Order: sequence, then structure tokens, then C-alpha cells
Amino acid sequence: QLQLQESGPGLVKPSETLSLTCTVSGDSISRISSYWGWIRQSPGEGLEWIGSIYSGGSTYYTYYSPSLKTRVTISLDTAKNEFYLRLRSVTAADTAVYYCARHQWEPKVSHLDPWGQGTLVNVSS
Amino acid sequence: SYELTQPHSVSVSPGQTATITCSGDNLGDRYACWYQQKPGQIPVLVIYKDTKRPAGIPERFSGSNSGNTATLTISGTQALDEADYFCQTWDSSTVVFGGGTKLTVL
Repeated sequence: QLQLQESGPGLVKPSETLSLTCTVSGDSISRISSYWGWIRQSPGEGLEWIGSIYSGGSTYYTYYSPSLKTRVTISLDTAKNEFYLRLRSVTAADTAVYYCARHQWEPKVSHLDPWGQGTLVNVSS
Repeated sequence: SYELTQPHSVSVSPGQTATITCSGDNLGDRYACWYQQKPGQIPVLVIYKDTKRPAGIPERFSGSNSGNTATLTISGTQALDEADYFCQTWDSSTVVFGGGTKLTVL
């Protein structure tokens, strides 16, 4: 059974970089040709897609939310079965629960399942 | 940018049918999916590819998508179905979520 788990600092200072890791268990990222995504949810708000990365052997593609793409980098390490989120120059508006998920993305199809448990990141000095 | 619009809230009596809509330009030309999120819990996929239920999702959850509207229907709604529901699709290599609908069972 595929499981995902986010990890990283729960507190980041304004203007610094938020860095999170998603550890995948139950199968190998390198074996599964799939997208892997990051989503966030501000307190009391809806879901916001941050971006996704595709791993297909030695080929990687990344797609980012237009509103965040100037500050976001998503990467992947198949040897560690992990993928990563880096969000630069954070402000209080980036305070949210951050989720990672497997992203099924094919022509006309897009859905995220399963999701990690989420990790709350507070941006505060 | 592409937008999905959901009603802010829907109320239903136990045992009745709940209908939650999700509107977007020509939404029926692409697949939509739905997530359920209970307070303090993670989102759970309940419908994908418009009508398909993942393993473990009760049969009372069903979906449709045509024209500009995708619909999540919960038949015989139970108290445990009370949650926020989010629709989702994609457009121009971007994932789009609806704003969410709070389903109240009363």
C-alpha cells in the first residue's frame, strides 16, 4: 500500500526558504511512472496546488502553479524514494498545512491519491 | 486562468440525497474528481474520472460531469458524510481546485 509522509521544519522565518520532504513507502518512485505533487491549505481555507513532478526513469518534468512558480522548486531523489519542496522568500501568507500526494495525471485526467498526513508550517519571526 | 465554482454550503437531512455542484467552462470536456475532507483530517478522493469510486468509498457516492457542471451526489446521506467537499480538474498544465462546499447533515 502506497504511503506518503511529509517532514520538515514547522516554523520558518519571513524571507527565508521553506523546505519539505515527502517520503514514499510501499513502492518505488523509480518503478512507478507517475507524477508526485505538493498541495497546501491555509488555515480555514481551501486547497491550493503548488506543483508536481513527473518521474519516468531518467526523465523528469515539473509543473508549477502560475502564482507560485517564481518561488517554487520541486525535485526528486529516486534513490531515497523522496521528493522535495522548496519555497523561497516566504511570508505569513505561506503559513499552511502542506500535503504531498501521488498525482495521477494523464490526458484529460488529474487526481491526487493517496495523500500524506500533512505538515503545518508557520511563517513567523 | 481556469476557475471552478462550488456553492459555499449545502444542507441535507439524514437519509436524503445531497447534491453538490462544481461549475467551470466546458468542464465536461475533461475529467473531474472530488475530495472529502472532514475536520482535522486529510482530503480523501471519493470520485475520480467523473464517475469512478476508489476502493473503499461507499456506493452512495456517485458523480457525473456534463456541459459546464460536474456533480457529486450522495444518496442516503449519513451524519458521517458531513464534511467539506472539493472538486478538482486541470487546465493548461495547471491543477485547479474548487473553493469547497461545506455539507451539513441536519
